[in-house]
Amino acid sequence: EADIYQTPRYLVIGTGKKITLECSQTMGHDKMYWYQQDPGMELHLIHYSYGVNSTEKGDLSSESTVSRIRTEHFPLTLESARPSHTSQYLCASSELRGRGSNTGELFFGEGSRLTVL
Amino acid sequence: QKEVEQNSGPLSVPEGAIASLNCTYSDRVSQSFFWYRQYSGKSPELIMSIYSNGDKEDGRFTAQLNKASQYVSLLIRDSQPSDSATYLCAVSSFNKFYFGSGTKLNVKP
Repeated sequence: EADIYQTPRYLVIGTGKKITLECSQTMGHDKMYWYQQDPGMELHLIHYSYGVNSTEKGDLSSESTVSRIRTEHFPLTLESARPSHTSQYLCASSELRGRGSNTGELFFGEGSRLTVL
Repeated sequence: QKEVEQNSGPLSVPEGAIASLNCTYSDRVSQSFFWYRQYSGKSPELIMSIYSNGDKEDGRFTAQLNKASQYVSLLIRDSQPSDSATYLCAVSSFNKFYFGSGTKLNVKP
């Protein structure tokens, strides 16, 4: 079973507030990811990191930012939330399956459901 | 063209039947292949991973990979109502994962 934790699980806030979604994993995985998913819709990659001090934007443009100061921690921040940011945010992590480029399994946290009023 | 294609369904099967879920991918250098199950409102849960051509069985689940045809499938034997969920096919190449839009499976009691 994967050990990846997200907080808060549910958050309702007003427009203009700054929020940070926390994600931590205890598996020592180098790679961490943030996905955004609306109900019944596809997963969209918004940020990823291959290690400490490494962050990249994903395929879906997002106004959020991320940081990776410690291996186990990959928080996502919205400086000024808007109703269009209402969605489920899923954090995930993976490790190399072996030496080289084979990718190991991706494990998800339970998600943070954000509602911006 | 999307990286990973799945039929959105819904696929309806009676309890006890075999459910067959299919997925095609476009990147020939893809190296790792996964099936995830996602219940409504929950996060995806890894069911199977497969890395080489052929079949891989785990309990009631069998994943099949054919790299020449760029095709991955998941068979669920003795389907149960608790198997009703959306099944996501995922393909990875180097450090990126690509997800299909998912197939919704309904298992009728």
